[in-house]
Amino acid sequence: DGGITQSPKYLFRKEGQNVTLSCEQNLNHDAMYWYRQDPGQGLRLIYYSQIVNDFQKGDIAEGYSVSREKKESFPLTVTSAQKNPTAFYLCASSVGTSVASLEQYFGPGTRLTVT
Amino acid sequence: GQQVMQIPQYQHVQEGEDFTTYCNSSTTLSNIQWYKQRPGGHPVFLIQLVKSGEVKKQKRLTFQFGEAKKNSSLHITATQTTDVGTYFCAGNQGGKLIFGQGTELSVKP
Repeated sequence: DGGITQSPKYLFRKEGQNVTLSCEQNLNHDAMYWYRQDPGQGLRLIYYSQIVNDFQKGDIAEGYSVSREKKESFPLTVTSAQKNPTAFYLCASSVGTSVASLEQYFGPGTRLTVT
Repeated sequence: GQQVMQIPQYQHVQEGEDFTTYCNSSTTLSNIQWYKQRPGGHPVFLIQLVKSGEVKKQKRLTFQFGEAKKNSSLHITATQTTDVGTYFCAGNQGGKLIFGQGTELSVKP
């Protein structure tokens, strides 16, 4: 089955620790994205990548880092510099590189809680 | 800043009633997408509108894109309990996809 997988579904961390969220897709999509979702708010773009070994900051990149070493993988690291890391994190992908005019396919999400 | 405003934030309806959510942008959008997120789930793409004044239908759902390409609406006729969830619009502003805050729909059987 083709799709996007994110793991784990729930993640708990202590404040001050870095944590890496996994995102893998087997759809052969060029573009991948990371969004953050908070209650009552829309999705906010953290980072996106249109091609391997290249990525761009989104609207709220501070305190986050990414890598795109393989087409199918786009891990997100939430660093200790992120002031409010507790949130629902969604990974998405789209075919082609026109990031705003193509259907995005979302993974199931990772709910991160930092205490 | 770049914003897409979506109203209402919440809508509670009786099963069988109609439902509409609206999106507004201060700038012209190249295209607009609509997504549905079920409770506890992830957003799922519904449709994309590109042309000025475009209207598209999917069964009981009707999507419209305004003539000025600054607003859009989603209308559901005769809601069912399977329609519950949060509906998001996402507008293409200068090559960036900006999501609205979403409208959470609950349907009372």
